[in-house]
Amino acid sequence: DSGVTQTPKHLITATGQRVTLRCSPRSGDLSVYWYQQSLDQGLQFLIQYYNGEERAKGNILERFSAQQFPDLHSELNLSSLELGDSALYFCASSPERGTDTQYFGPGTRLTVL
Amino acid sequence: ELKVEQNPLFLSMQEGKNYTIYCNYSTTSDRLYWYRQDPGKSLESLFVLLSNGAVKQEGRLMASLDTKARLSTLHITAAVHDLSATYFCAVDRGPGRRALTFGSGTRLQVQP
Repeated sequence: DSGVTQTPKHLITATGQRVTLRCSPRSGDLSVYWYQQSLDQGLQFLIQYYNGEERAKGNILERFSAQQFPDLHSELNLSSLELGDSALYFCASSPERGTDTQYFGPGTRLTVL
Repeated sequence: ELKVEQNPLFLSMQEGKNYTIYCNYSTTSDRLYWYRQDPGKSLESLFVLLSNGAVKQEGRLMASLDTKARLSTLHITAAVHDLSATYFCAVDRGPGRRALTFGSGTRLQVQP
């Protein structure tokens, strides 16, 4: 158990809908990262927040957005969903110091029908 | 654009054998990560390599880093079935830019 929690574990929805994925980082970690894992694209970085501020953006679609709240939990919002958005979405956290790695949560499996 | 390439993509080996997974990356990076993923599960951190010549070992796995060659290796010694998983290497771009760029992964299957 990495200490990073994500909800829900599974999400099944229809095209055109909007969903919100939630992540709670490890205690004390200020950075939260979102990644998408799909069969055709592999593991891709979406976006990073550090202590409430957006720090880096990767291959995140305009239909997707995220935020990090004062208690450091983060939410990833996916809207106007398409079939191709079906994937495993991971949240990771790190303290951004020294030799620490990024610790990954269990993921949310999103299925768009 | 930072690119990370792993090879092989698939590796079937017998128990007791040794093998090496290679990870090449295209631009300067000060950290190289190795992760393990079991089917349908999350990513488990194995190693973080921080400097040229770094070597880390955990059980039957040993990772090394050559920053001049932009190459990391993950060596498996006397493989056992429990090592069957997908192994990913990843790099970041340095302080303040620690978003990871992953390789495609190496799916390891250890046959009894």
